Amino acid sequence: NAGVTQTPKFQVLKTGQSMTLQCAQDMNHNSMYWYRQDPGMGLRLIYYSASEGTTDKGEVPNGYNVSRLNKREFSLRLESAAPSQTSVYFCASSELGGSNNEQFFGPGTRLTVL
Amino acid sequence: RKEVEQDPGPFNVPEGATVAFNCTYSNSASQSFFWYRQDCRKEPKLLMSVYSSGNEDGRFTAQLNRASQYISLLIRDSKLSDSATYLCVVNLYNFNKFYFGSGTKLNVKP
Repeated sequence: NAGVTQTPKFQVLKTGQSMTLQCAQDMNHNSMYWYRQDPGMGLRLIYYSASEGTTDKGEVPNGYNVSRLNKREFSLRLESAAPSQTSVYFCASSELGGSNNEQFFGPGTRLTVL
Repeated sequence: RKEVEQDPGPFNVPEGATVAFNCTYSNSASQSFFWYRQDCRKEPKLLMSVYSSGNEDGRFTAQLNRASQYISLLIRDSKLSDSATYLCVVNLYNFNKFYFGSGTKLNVKP
């Protein structure tokens, strides 16, 4: 049981390049999330998917697109990377409902845009 | 205005000390409350959920005050291994969104 996995762990891009961050979970969770974490800012929600086939914008969606490929996988795409997108990206999943809405996080992707 | 606000610290305390963190949230519709722990360059992990009646897990005690819209975390008998950043998180259940505070850094020193 791997939990939440993310690839790649590290990436350096040049301004204008594109890339896709991959995320997968094996806990059969319905909800999945993408966050970015910047120093002093905490985690900010980029996009989330409440269930397979649905996606919604979070707090900071500009410059990103997502795909909920199936129940397990939720990818984040940067079409034209900008230096302001230098950050640590975390994917998470949860099973909302009841009294425990714990989120499980992947190990993160450290992205630098030059 | 941020949805969740925390004192960034750092809190520098000796081993064995008791330390308390507070966190305030702005949306009265918040449904669920959590403390997460994040070690340096690692992902956040759930420390404990926060229930209306307050709850305790070993050396850790969490309290919720809905009227004043804040939650607290008390750590007793601090250990070196408690050194980390503690994130306050609230969930607007109906909107499937979690809001994170920027974290409070704790350094426990020998």
